Amino acid sequence: DADVTQTPRNRITKTGKRIMLECSQTKGHDRMYWYRQDPGLGLRLIYYSFDVKDINKGEISDGYSVSRQAQAKFSLSLESAIPNQTALYFCATSPRGHGVDTQYFGPGTRLTVL
Amino acid sequence: GDSVTQMEGPVTLSEEAFLTINCTYTATGYPSLFWYVQYPGEGLQLLLKATKADDKGSNKGFEATYRKETTSFHLEKGSVQVSDSAVYFCALWSNDMRFGAGTRLTVKP
Repeated sequence: DADVTQTPRNRITKTGKRIMLECSQTKGHDRMYWYRQDPGLGLRLIYYSFDVKDINKGEISDGYSVSRQAQAKFSLSLESAIPNQTALYFCATSPRGHGVDTQYFGPGTRLTVL
Repeated sequence: GDSVTQMEGPVTLSEEAFLTINCTYTATGYPSLFWYVQYPGEGLQLLLKATKADDKGSNKGFEATYRKETTSFHLEKGSVQVSDSAVYFCALWSNDMRFGAGTRLTVKP
């Protein structure tokens, strides 16, 4: 079984709809991250959490919110989806430590907003 | 803000050729530096990392040296294989995580 899972893997929705992407991990890591990937732009960090009670904005947090329900679960929400949020979204985890260590990525969720 | 700039692709090489993918960065403080690889249809995997100046990261024949004086972390491999075909991302962690745009490598037999 995969250590970092994302659901759904694909989603097509309409402008204005609320969408939640979910991430679960069995690696026992304290730290979790949400990224989006756009062609030619690499990955950009949306939010990250260093433990259950810690939430931090990343480079591009506007239009997104997150919830860290437990050590193993980190959800990303789009309150009112818009077409330029069409992208590939990745969840990642890393162990606790000084700075940021190796990140382990999920398989990605492809989101299309029409 | 912090940023990573890597050479644009795509890069196409013949098997056993030498590979260099350039990466330079701008950051406050002393960032940790990473190379990640993404195979088609998959998430990213760490290839190698370096956490302080002059450190050399290495894995699977790939190497990169953290050069603080030139703010660079260039990826090299002496002899590429077809199985190395993928997209390579340079990244840094300082205040948060920043990735380069990615370089697509295709290795032909």
